[in-house]
Amino acid sequence: EAQLLESGGDLVQPGGSLRLSCVASGFTFSDYAMNWVRQAPGKGLEWVSSITSGGSTTFYSDSVKGRFTISRDNSKNTLYLQMNSLRVEDTALYSCAKYDGSGSGRWFDPWGQGTLVTVSS
Amino acid sequence: DIQMTQSPSSLRASVGDRVIITCRASQSISRFLNWYHQKAGKAPALLIYAASSLQSGVPSRFSGSGSGTDFTLIINTLQPEDFGTYYCQQTNNYPLTFGGGTKVEIK
Repeated sequence: EAQLLESGGDLVQPGGSLRLSCVASGFTFSDYAMNWVRQAPGKGLEWVSSITSGGSTTFYSDSVKGRFTISRDNSKNTLYLQMNSLRVEDTALYSCAKYDGSGSGRWFDPWGQGTLVTVSS
Repeated sequence: DIQMTQSPSSLRASVGDRVIITCRASQSISRFLNWYHQKAGKAPALLIYAASSLQSGVPSRFSGSGSGTDFTLIINTLQPEDFGTYYCQQTNNYPLTFGGGTKVEIK
């Protein structure tokens, strides 16, 4: 069974930095693209970033572009999100999700339980 | 960016009811449309992918349809475990986008 476990969330001041990790198990991590998604308290889902299986191509939402960096270490089955210049509005539960599918459809499954990032002074 | 508009934003229904949730894309996304169910405090779970394919293990009372810009999620015979929030998602283009969610509550 595929599983994802995030860590690294914390309370950080505005302007600070944080690195999130997502450890994958139960599937061949290096075969799949991966994603980060966030959910602010009481709000809906917001896609943050994606990375291809080999790590050569990345995508970002406009709200984090230039501040966040997605990366992966396939030898460690681990996905990362480096978050710099954090803002109060980045406060959210951050979850990773495996990107499955192919030309006829692509979807997120499974999702991790998430790690909480709180940006506050 | 492709905007995903779900309706209604919330609804109240009884066990046994038939529930219909719609999702409209601001431009054509072919069939790159997924549906997720999120219970309070839990991670979202995939229900339907590629507009109409039922994820393994998901009960057959769930069904999806549509293509292009208009999509529908139907829950036949609503069960107690079906309450929560439903989200649509398009994966046709980056940035990937979600609908605002439909909260299904007990009447």
